[in-house]
Amino acid sequence: KNEVEQSPQNLTAQEGEFITINCSYSVGISALHWLQQHPGGGIVSLFMLSSGKKKHGRLIATINIQEKHSSLHITASHPRDSAVYICAVSAGGSNYKLTFGKGTLLTVNP
Amino acid sequence: EAGVTQFPSHSVIEKGQTVTLRCDPISGHDNLYWYRRVMGKEIKFLLHFVKESKQDESGMPNNRFLAERTGGTYSTLKVQPAELEDSGVYFCASSPRPLAEGDTQYFGPGTRLTVL
Repeated sequence: KNEVEQSPQNLTAQEGEFITINCSYSVGISALHWLQQHPGGGIVSLFMLSSGKKKHGRLIATINIQEKHSSLHITASHPRDSAVYICAVSAGGSNYKLTFGKGTLLTVNP
Repeated sequence: EAGVTQFPSHSVIEKGQTVTLRCDPISGHDNLYWYRRVMGKEIKFLLHFVKESKQDESGMPNNRFLAERTGGTYSTLKVQPAELEDSGVYFCASSPRPLAEGDTQYFGPGTRLTVL
């Protein structure tokens, strides 16, 4: 079992829909990261959070440390949001590396 | 400001050959990370440099992989000899400070390696 699990693996939505992608982890962390990769593109960091909620435009990321769970929400989805969304965690202490989930492929149809 | 760059973008080699991947981090970023995604799997950590020193190389698969960062600027990852299971996308990332100090990482576009 992977230390970072994402669901769903694939998600298809209609333009305008509210999207939720979930991430659960099984290790102690110092921070959780949400990353985005467009088809053929590089990886971009969307959020890094260790508690509560962060918002950037139509994207909202939340984390519940006690439940070891995070969600990424996209409001008013648009076809340009189509991408792979990846959850990753950085463990505490002197551990500097990221541990990744497999990613969620989001397709938003017009 | 230029982002993280990687060269080449694609490499196709035969089993047994040698390939060297290069990563140029953002100028001034002391921390450099190598990651790999094998098809169908999650991205996995390979190693972490702080300047020219290897901070953590626990993710390197075996001794066919050699990473260097002479002078603390660009880094190379050499695979010698390459095997079929080495195929995948190799990502490089950099950050001014380590993740544990609150900095996010900036990723390069990746190098897609295909070993035939």
